[in-house]
Amino acid sequence: NAGVTQTPKFRILKIGQSMTLQCTQDMNHNYMYWYRQDPGMGLKLIYYSVGAGITDKGEVPNGYNVSRSTTEDFPLRLELAAPSQTSVYFCAIGGYSNQPQHFGDGTRLSIL
Amino acid sequence: DAKTTQPPSMDCAEGRAANLPCNHSTISGNEYVYWYRQIHSQGPQYIIHGLKNNETNEMASLIITEDRKSSTLILPHATLRDTAVYYCIVRVASTNAGKSTFGDGTTLTVKP
Repeated sequence: NAGVTQTPKFRILKIGQSMTLQCTQDMNHNYMYWYRQDPGMGLKLIYYSVGAGITDKGEVPNGYNVSRSTTEDFPLRLELAAPSQTSVYFCAIGGYSNQPQHFGDGTRLSIL
Repeated sequence: DAKTTQPPSMDCAEGRAANLPCNHSTISGNEYVYWYRQIHSQGPQYIIHGLKNNETNEMASLIITEDRKSSTLILPHATLRDTAVYYCIVRVASTNAGKSTFGDGTTLTVKP
Protein backbone atom coordinates (compact mmCIF):
# COMPACT_ATOMS: atom_id res chain seq x y z
CA ASN A 1 0.00 0.00 0.00
CA ALA A 2 1.88 3.05 -1.35
CA GLY A 3 5.20 1.54 -0.21
CA VAL A 4 4.29 1.17 3.48
CA THR A 5 4.58 -2.30 5.01
CA GLN A 6 3.21 -3.08 8.45
CA THR A 7 3.82 -6.29 10.38
CA PRO A 8 2.22 -8.23 11.90
CA LYS A 9 -1.29 -7.92 10.43
CA PHE A 10 -2.95 -9.44 13.47
CA ARG A 11 -1.83 -10.08 17.03
CA ILE A 12 -3.38 -11.12 20.33
CA LEU A 13 -1.54 -10.13 23.50
CA LYS A 14 -2.11 -10.82 27.15
CA ILE A 15 -2.32 -7.93 29.61
CA GLY A 16 1.16 -6.85 30.67
CA GLN A 17 2.97 -8.32 27.67
CA SER A 18 5.07 -6.16 25.38
CA MET A 19 5.48 -6.07 21.62
CA THR A 20 6.77 -4.01 18.75
CA LEU A 21 4.70 -3.09 15.72
CA GLN A 22 6.87 -2.73 12.65
CA CYS A 23 6.52 -0.16 9.90
CA THR A 24 8.85 -0.04 6.90
CA GLN A 25 8.73 2.20 3.84
CA ASP A 26 10.57 2.12 0.53
CA MET A 27 9.60 5.63 -0.62
CA ASN A 28 12.44 7.51 1.15
CA HIS A 29 10.00 9.82 2.94
CA ASN A 30 11.33 11.70 5.94
CA TYR A 31 7.92 12.02 7.59
CA MET A 32 6.35 8.98 9.24
CA TYR A 33 3.41 8.63 11.63
CA TRP A 34 1.60 6.17 13.87
CA TYR A 35 -2.16 6.38 14.31
CA ARG A 36 -4.64 4.23 16.20
CA GLN A 37 -8.27 3.69 15.31
CA ASP A 38 -10.82 2.41 17.78
CA PRO A 39 -14.03 0.79 16.46
CA GLY A 40 -16.34 3.28 14.74
CA MET A 41 -14.01 6.20 15.36
CA GLY A 42 -11.58 8.30 13.38
CA LEU A 43 -7.80 7.98 13.57
CA LYS A 44 -5.81 9.47 16.43
CA LEU A 45 -2.12 10.37 16.15
CA ILE A 46 0.18 8.55 18.59
CA TYR A 47 3.69 9.61 17.51
CA TYR A 48 5.35 11.04 14.45
CA SER A 49 8.85 11.54 13.07
CA VAL A 50 10.25 14.11 10.66
CA GLY A 51 13.48 12.23 10.06
CA ALA A 52 15.95 9.72 11.43
CA GLY A 53 16.66 10.45 15.09
CA ILE A 54 13.73 12.88 15.47
CA THR A 55 10.40 11.86 17.01
CA ASP A 56 7.60 13.72 18.78
CA LYS A 57 4.37 12.98 20.59
CA GLY A 58 0.97 13.17 18.98
CA GLU A 59 -2.47 13.29 20.56
CA VAL A 60 -2.42 9.94 22.43
CA PRO A 61 1.21 8.92 23.21
CA ASN A 62 0.75 7.40 26.68
CA GLY A 63 1.67 3.72 26.84
CA TYR A 64 3.74 3.80 23.65
CA ASN A 65 7.33 4.44 22.62
CA VAL A 66 8.94 4.95 19.23
CA SER A 67 12.38 5.18 17.72
CA ARG A 68 13.64 6.20 14.29
CA SER A 69 17.18 5.04 13.64
CA THR A 70 16.81 4.83 9.85
CA THR A 71 14.71 6.58 7.22
CA GLU A 72 13.01 3.30 6.31
CA ASP A 73 11.84 2.04 9.71
CA PHE A 74 9.59 3.51 12.39
CA PRO A 75 8.70 0.85 15.00
CA LEU A 76 6.05 1.39 17.69
CA ARG A 77 6.54 -0.32 21.04
CA LEU A 78 3.97 -1.24 23.66
CA GLU A 79 5.73 -1.95 26.95
CA LEU A 80 2.89 -3.08 29.25
CA ALA A 81 -0.13 -3.95 27.15
CA ALA A 82 -3.51 -2.88 28.53
CA PRO A 83 -7.03 -3.67 27.25
CA SER A 84 -7.46 0.02 26.35
CA GLN A 85 -4.79 -0.44 23.70
CA THR A 86 -6.95 -2.88 21.74
CA SER A 87 -7.20 -1.09 18.41
CA VAL A 88 -6.13 -1.02 14.79
CA TYR A 89 -2.77 0.67 14.30
CA PHE A 90 -1.87 2.44 11.07
CA CYS A 91 1.50 3.68 9.95
CA ALA A 92 1.64 6.52 7.43
CA ILE A 93 4.28 8.33 5.38
CA GLY A 94 4.43 11.61 3.51
CA GLY A 95 2.76 14.90 4.39
CA TYR A 96 5.71 17.12 3.68
CA SER A 97 4.48 20.61 2.72
CA ASN A 98 1.07 20.16 1.05
CA GLN A 99 1.64 16.57 0.00
CA PRO A 100 -0.85 13.94 1.25
CA GLN A 101 -0.15 11.09 3.60
CA HIS A 102 -0.17 7.45 2.51
CA PHE A 103 -1.16 4.67 4.87
CA GLY A 104 -0.25 1.05 5.43
CA ASP A 105 -2.82 -1.73 5.75
CA GLY A 106 -2.77 -1.70 9.53
CA THR A 107 -2.07 -4.03 12.45
CA ARG A 108 -5.10 -5.35 14.33
CA LEU A 109 -4.17 -5.76 17.98
CA SER A 110 -6.30 -7.35 20.69
CA ILE A 111 -5.26 -7.36 24.34
CA LEU A 112 -7.03 -9.83 26.59
CA ASP B 1 -5.72 23.05 12.26
CA ALA B 2 -9.31 24.05 11.56
CA LYS B 3 -12.14 21.77 12.65
CA THR B 4 -14.33 20.08 10.03
CA THR B 5 -17.97 19.00 10.19
CA GLN B 6 -19.40 16.20 8.03
CA PRO B 7 -22.76 14.45 8.01
CA PRO B 8 -22.46 11.03 9.67
CA SER B 9 -24.00 9.11 6.77
CA MET B 10 -25.27 9.41 3.21
CA ASP B 11 -26.77 7.12 0.60
CA CYS B 12 -26.27 7.23 -3.14
CA ALA B 13 -27.70 5.21 -6.02
CA GLU B 14 -25.21 3.28 -8.12
CA GLY B 15 -24.25 5.19 -11.26
CA ARG B 16 -25.32 8.54 -9.86
CA ALA B 17 -23.04 11.28 -8.61
CA ALA B 18 -22.21 11.23 -4.90
CA ASN B 19 -21.80 14.70 -3.39
CA LEU B 20 -20.19 14.69 0.04
CA PRO B 21 -20.19 18.01 1.92
CA CYS B 22 -17.70 19.29 4.47
CA ASN B 23 -17.89 22.44 6.56
CA HIS B 24 -14.67 24.14 7.65
CA SER B 25 -15.84 27.60 8.60
CA THR B 26 -12.71 28.44 10.63
CA ILE B 27 -10.23 27.57 7.88
CA SER B 28 -7.27 29.90 7.57
CA GLY B 29 -5.62 31.12 4.40
CA ASN B 30 -2.74 28.65 4.40
CA GLU B 31 -4.78 25.53 5.19
CA TYR B 32 -5.45 22.92 2.53
CA VAL B 33 -8.52 20.67 2.30
CA TYR B 34 -7.80 16.95 1.95
CA TRP B 35 -10.13 14.03 1.35
CA TYR B 36 -9.40 10.42 2.23
CA ARG B 37 -11.57 7.34 2.28
CA GLN B 38 -11.44 4.12 4.24
CA ILE B 39 -12.96 0.95 2.81
CA HIS B 40 -13.91 -1.60 5.46
CA SER B 41 -10.99 -1.44 7.91
CA GLN B 42 -8.25 -0.93 5.37
CA GLY B 43 -5.81 1.96 5.68
CA PRO B 44 -7.16 5.35 4.61
CA GLN B 45 -6.70 6.07 0.91
CA TYR B 46 -5.86 9.55 -0.32
CA ILE B 47 -8.38 10.93 -2.84
CA ILE B 48 -7.72 14.59 -3.58
CA HIS B 49 -6.70 17.91 -2.03
CA GLY B 50 -6.88 21.62 -2.79
CA LEU B 51 -6.28 25.12 -1.47
CA LYS B 52 -8.84 27.37 -3.14
CA ASN B 53 -9.28 26.31 -6.73
CA ASN B 54 -11.47 23.41 -7.77
CA GLU B 55 -9.52 20.24 -8.43
CA THR B 56 -10.18 17.09 -10.44
CA ASN B 57 -8.33 13.82 -10.78
CA GLU B 58 -9.16 10.33 -11.97
CA MET B 59 -11.01 9.52 -8.76
CA ALA B 60 -13.03 12.61 -7.91
CA SER B 61 -13.59 16.35 -8.07
CA LEU B 62 -13.19 18.81 -5.22
CA ILE B 63 -15.28 21.96 -5.18
CA ILE B 64 -14.24 24.64 -2.66
CA THR B 65 -16.52 27.62 -2.10
CA GLU B 66 -15.15 31.08 -2.80
CA ASP B 67 -15.03 31.95 0.92
CA ARG B 68 -13.34 28.56 1.54
CA LYS B 69 -15.67 27.80 4.45
CA SER B 70 -17.00 24.62 2.89
CA SER B 71 -16.21 22.08 0.21
CA THR B 72 -17.81 19.19 -1.65
CA LEU B 73 -16.23 15.97 -2.82
CA ILE B 74 -17.89 14.65 -5.96
CA LEU B 75 -17.69 11.06 -7.12
CA PRO B 76 -19.17 11.43 -10.62
CA HIS B 77 -20.47 7.89 -11.16
CA ALA B 78 -20.61 6.06 -7.85
CA THR B 79 -20.13 2.29 -7.83
CA LEU B 80 -20.72 -0.26 -5.08
CA ARG B 81 -16.96 -0.25 -4.46
CA ASP B 82 -17.17 3.42 -3.43
CA THR B 83 -19.02 2.42 -0.26
CA ALA B 84 -16.65 3.65 2.45
CA VAL B 85 -16.08 6.18 5.20
CA TYR B 86 -14.96 9.52 3.73
CA TYR B 87 -12.85 11.90 5.78
CA CYS B 88 -12.46 15.63 5.15
CA ILE B 89 -9.31 17.06 6.75
CA VAL B 90 -7.93 20.57 6.90
CA ARG B 91 -4.27 21.23 7.67
CA VAL B 92 -1.51 23.70 7.14
CA ALA B 93 1.06 22.88 4.47
CA SER B 94 4.04 22.87 6.79
CA THR B 95 7.62 21.77 6.66
CA ASN B 96 7.41 20.88 10.36
CA ALA B 97 5.11 17.88 10.11
CA GLY B 98 2.10 16.78 8.11
CA LYS B 99 -0.01 15.72 11.07
CA SER B 100 -3.66 15.20 10.21
CA THR B 101 -6.66 15.28 12.53
CA PHE B 102 -9.30 12.76 11.52
CA GLY B 103 -12.89 13.23 12.64
CA ASP B 104 -15.56 10.54 12.37
CA GLY B 105 -16.15 11.10 8.64
CA THR B 106 -19.19 10.36 6.47
CA THR B 107 -20.23 6.79 5.83
CA LEU B 108 -21.29 6.65 2.17
CA THR B 109 -23.41 3.69 1.17
CA VAL B 110 -23.85 3.14 -2.57
CA LYS B 111 -26.98 1.13 -3.29
CA PRO B 112 -27.81 -0.90 -6.41
